[in-house]
Amino acid sequence: ETGVTQSPTHLIKTRGQQVTLRCSSQSGHNTVSWYQQALGQGPQFIFQYYREEENGRGNFPPRFSGLQFPNYSSELNVNALELDDSALYLCASSLAGVENTIYFGEGSWLTVV
Amino acid sequence: GQSLEQPSEVTAVEGAIVQINCTYQTSGFYGLSWYQQHDGGAPTFLSYNGLDGLEETGRFSSFLSRSDSYGYLLLQELQMKDSASYFCAVMGAGSYQLTFGKGTKLSVIP
Repeated sequence: ETGVTQSPTHLIKTRGQQVTLRCSSQSGHNTVSWYQQALGQGPQFIFQYYREEENGRGNFPPRFSGLQFPNYSSELNVNALELDDSALYLCASSLAGVENTIYFGEGSWLTVV
Repeated sequence: GQSLEQPSEVTAVEGAIVQINCTYQTSGFYGLSWYQQHDGGAPTFLSYNGLDGLEETGRFSSFLSRSDSYGYLLLQELQMKDSASYFCAVMGAGSYQLTFGKGTKLSVIP
């Protein structure tokens, strides 16, 4: 139990739709990162938020966007869904300055049909 | 950029010792982390090496050699519950992202 909670756990969307995934970070953790994990692959960094600002982004298009709220919870939004967006989306929280030790939530399984 | 190589699959016998290797290429480097992920579950932090040498946590040990761009995870007294995927990950200097390897699927057999 990492204290990082995500919702929903599973969802199915149609190509072209939009999706919002939510994450509550571990108590005291002020940094939230989002990762995409395709089947059989390692997690890939999407972006990170600290103090409600994006402070790092991986190789993902602008239709992937996010928010961090004052209570450090976060949202991942994906617009214009594509079939290749089908994956496990992982939220991870950490403490600023200790980003090499991150704690993942159970993830949200997104299927795009 | 960064890239990591680790074996895709390893099989070992219950009670034995297994070593999972990881080589990396990165521009700048803070340290090497290891994560465990059971099927359908979240990656769980196992260990971190910021300096060369061996770190031990119970049945798990992790080693880093910066000069060789190489590390490994050592699992002792293997148990059936250790069957999972194991990922090495690096954070490059000046970056906040962890770059993961593709993972090693460990199967522990009786």
